[in-house]
Amino acid sequence: GAGVSQTPSNKVTEKGKYVELRCDPISGHTALYWYRQSLGQGPEFLIYFQGTGAADDSGLPNDRFFAVRPEGSVSTLKIQRTERGDSAVYLCASSVSGGHTDTQYFGPGTRLTVL
Amino acid sequence: GESVGLHLPTLSVQEGDNSIINCAYSNSASDYFIWYKQESGKGPQFIIDIRSNMDKRQGQRVTVLLNKTVKHLSLQIAATQPGDSAVYFCAETATSYDKVIFGPGTSLSVIP
Repeated sequence: GAGVSQTPSNKVTEKGKYVELRCDPISGHTALYWYRQSLGQGPEFLIYFQGTGAADDSGLPNDRFFAVRPEGSVSTLKIQRTERGDSAVYLCASSVSGGHTDTQYFGPGTRLTVL
Repeated sequence: GESVGLHLPTLSVQEGDNSIINCAYSNSASDYFIWYKQESGKGPQFIIDIRSNMDKRQGQRVTVLLNKTVKHLSLQIAATQPGDSAVYFCAETATSYDKVIFGPGTSLSVIP
């Protein structure tokens, strides 16, 4: 089947605007993860869902960031009042059963640019 | 704080040679280690993993070595091919409940 998909692939927005980034995990995967990757660095964990609930949101940098997964499949990462420092590639991953030691399969990412 | 890092930010190897990418970690509680490959414009791709109760694990053309005494991890790629050119990340976590922490990455360039 298809891998993890993310839309849009690129998003340019202005400082202060609201953005939504979407992730479609591999069918049947119960766990979903969001990461943020700045240029030249490794991915940085943001949040992990087990089914519909956030099992670990310790990586969200502040309350401007929020993510949902209402039906336990597709997830949306929402960023309010965007700042230039939010510019990065936002990666989504999914795994079969969950837990940080379960093999994670990554999508291609959404490149967010905040002007 | 705890961190995972790489000794060499860039590595160039001749096609057909073996490659060795090194990684140091600082969290002595780390129990699970993963190597990822990331090509330009793509997300990280799982290569191989190893748990702390092992010191070596082999896959297809890749071997991961773990030395817990000196907190060192390495990825060996045999007969390196142009398609191996990418950035390689080591990552670690202490338990299933702890987030995965990625190192900064090593860029591998294969010379034809």
